[in-house]
Amino acid sequence: AQSVTQLDSQVPVFEEAPVELRCNYSSSVSVYLFWYVQYPNQGLQLLLKYLSGSTLVKGINGFEAEFNKSQTSFHLRKPSVHISDTAEYFCAVRGTYSGAGSYQLTFGKGTKLSVIP
Amino acid sequence: DSGVTQTPKHLITATGQRVTLRCSPRSGDLSVYWYQQSLDQGLQFLIQYYNGEERAKGNILERFSAQQFPDLHSELNLSSLELGDSALYFCASSVGSLTDNEQFFGPGTRLTVL
Repeated sequence: AQSVTQLDSQVPVFEEAPVELRCNYSSSVSVYLFWYVQYPNQGLQLLLKYLSGSTLVKGINGFEAEFNKSQTSFHLRKPSVHISDTAEYFCAVRGTYSGAGSYQLTFGKGTKLSVIP
Repeated sequence: DSGVTQTPKHLITATGQRVTLRCSPRSGDLSVYWYQQSLDQGLQFLIQYYNGEERAKGNILERFSAQQFPDLHSELNLSSLELGDSALYFCASSVGSLTDNEQFFGPGTRLTVL
């Protein structure tokens, strides 16, 4: 079965400092990986995704993630965070096969990023 | 604004009752997904519809059911409600049915069962 572990439930960081949000996965199928962001009182929004190709994936709002197959990781990074990055971040992996080429997404428990002024 | 709308925003009801949550997908999207987000379980996939047909089922209880109508809006019906059903219910939509299609999430319906 596919699973996602987000190692930190909360990450406080000062404004303009770099941040890394960690995600490890297990999967028995070809790996598709995603990072979603949830701002307070809103739904989730896709930040970036890895399907194949380059292991370094760039997303919106200056975020990037690196797929590391040997370490089964997909950590999210940003070199300099802003107050507006305060949100909850979810890592997800392609999960159970649903048929007709479709798979469910399995989400991690989320990491709350708090940016301190 | 993702383009996905959900009504109502908040719902407070009592145990044993039945409620219906409504979702309108983005224009042109054929897939609708329902998710439950709770503090203890996190974000759990419930069910997916594609162009009116059920495509995938996740951790959906038998007390819950859903459907997608010809105009592509979807409803999630929750019956015999229990305290543990209190959660945020999200609807998402995508163009196709495949995993690599980006899912666009609505703002959610917060259900409180008293």
